[in-house]
Amino acid sequence: DAGVTQSPTHLIKTRGQHVTLRCSPISGHKSVSWYQQVLGQGPQFIFQYYEKEERGRGNFPDRFSARQFPNYSSELNVNALLLGDSALYLCASSLVGQGHEQYFGPGTRLTVT
Amino acid sequence: GENVEQHPSTLSVQEGDSAVIKCTYSDSASNYFPWYKQELGKGPQLIIDIRSNVGEKKDQRIAVTLNKTAKHFSLHITETQPEDSAVYFCAATFSGSARQLTFGSGTQLTVLP
Repeated sequence: DAGVTQSPTHLIKTRGQHVTLRCSPISGHKSVSWYQQVLGQGPQFIFQYYEKEERGRGNFPDRFSARQFPNYSSELNVNALLLGDSALYLCASSLVGQGHEQYFGPGTRLTVT
Repeated sequence: GENVEQHPSTLSVQEGDSAVIKCTYSDSASNYFPWYKQELGKGPQLIIDIRSNVGEKKDQRIAVTLNKTAKHFSLHITETQPEDSAVYFCAATFSGSARQLTFGSGTQLTVLP
């Protein structure tokens, strides 16, 4: 059974550019959450989507946006990249939006130069 | 605001010894406490979790205990093996937060052969 998949594995962008990261949840899971993990720290919550609606948003600027598609996959978009956006971006899927275990993908390593 | 504190930040044990990692949380309404193991270059892997209506949970060599009165929970690994070496994160779900996970800062566990 395939776990959470994310693409790309890693990428390098320049300050001011835009980036789109993709996530496919575990089959049957309808909720997707995005986290940012800076080197040496724990993941920080960015967004949660359930049934294609935003159900939660962390303390991140409006440059960060996301959406969920009818097949429950999700995209995270970041505009006007800053050096501080360099991090591992993790996607987690769960069966329902609340109260269930979250399973993480391998992440996308973003480097902003 | 919501906060999860984790100690120690690094822990070295001899193979076969036990390891204990402790976390405290700030919101007394929290009701779900997972533990994740993260190996280098990989996403966090859920290894065990506990809900607020349970005081202890065991899964082979891993156990988690929860003290709701003191607002702390701990991970216990017995008979440690070199493959247990990784970064371990505790997390908590806070009420009214759409079940977003708030993570501790992580513990680098090294099991010495």
